[in-house]
Amino acid sequence: SQQGEEDPQALSIQEGENATMNCSYKTSINNLQWYRQNSGRGLVHLILIRSNEREKHSGRLRVTLDTSKKSSSLLITASRAADTASYFCATDADAYSGAGSYQLTFGKGTKLSVIP
Amino acid sequence: DSGVTQTPKHLITATGQRVTLRCSPRSGDLSVYWYQQSLDQGLQFLIQYYNGEERAKGNILERFSAQQFPDLHSELNLSSLELGDSALYFCASSVASDSSYEQYFGPGTRLTVT
Repeated sequence: SQQGEEDPQALSIQEGENATMNCSYKTSINNLQWYRQNSGRGLVHLILIRSNEREKHSGRLRVTLDTSKKSSSLLITASRAADTASYFCATDADAYSGAGSYQLTFGKGTKLSVIP
Repeated sequence: DSGVTQTPKHLITATGQRVTLRCSPRSGDLSVYWYQQSLDQGLQFLIQYYNGEERAKGNILERFSAQQFPDLHSELNLSSLELGDSALYFCASSVASDSSYEQYFGPGTRLTVT
């Protein structure tokens, strides 16, 4: 089953607007990561936030984490057409899958369309 | 460019066949991860190798196997292929074995089973 679930599944906005995507997860985590995927291409890491952090910024990206609600949000400010992509959250499973290793579990993503 | 290379980019084969997908991690990365991405299942973790040893196993079918070689490149072997194995297969690498580090993804291999 999916650990992270993004919401909404799809989002369409005008260039210059802000885009907010949410991620909910089920079990405790050590960290949560956000990735971007342009159509049919490899995923690109955007930001990692640890369980003891509440907010993190990187350029036009702002990520928040609420461990009590088991949720995270990704805000992209002043969106551009080039931001059109699918955005995934990934969490580490709460159980060891091997010594010193946690798997990353990805949600199904939010498809963002930014209209010029 | 993530620094992770995957070959081939596209692969078309018939049911029942066997294929090998290859991945070279970023220079200095010891961990290699394999993922399968399909429309209905999303991005599924298959298996992880760290410095030549299997470290974690996900939803990998028994028909699939992988290995990591001394030069750290990895191969994913898919056998007795079925139509449902058609998907994008990604390799990712990271510097360490645990999930506290970002993963760098390759461009993927698109497998079509006919």
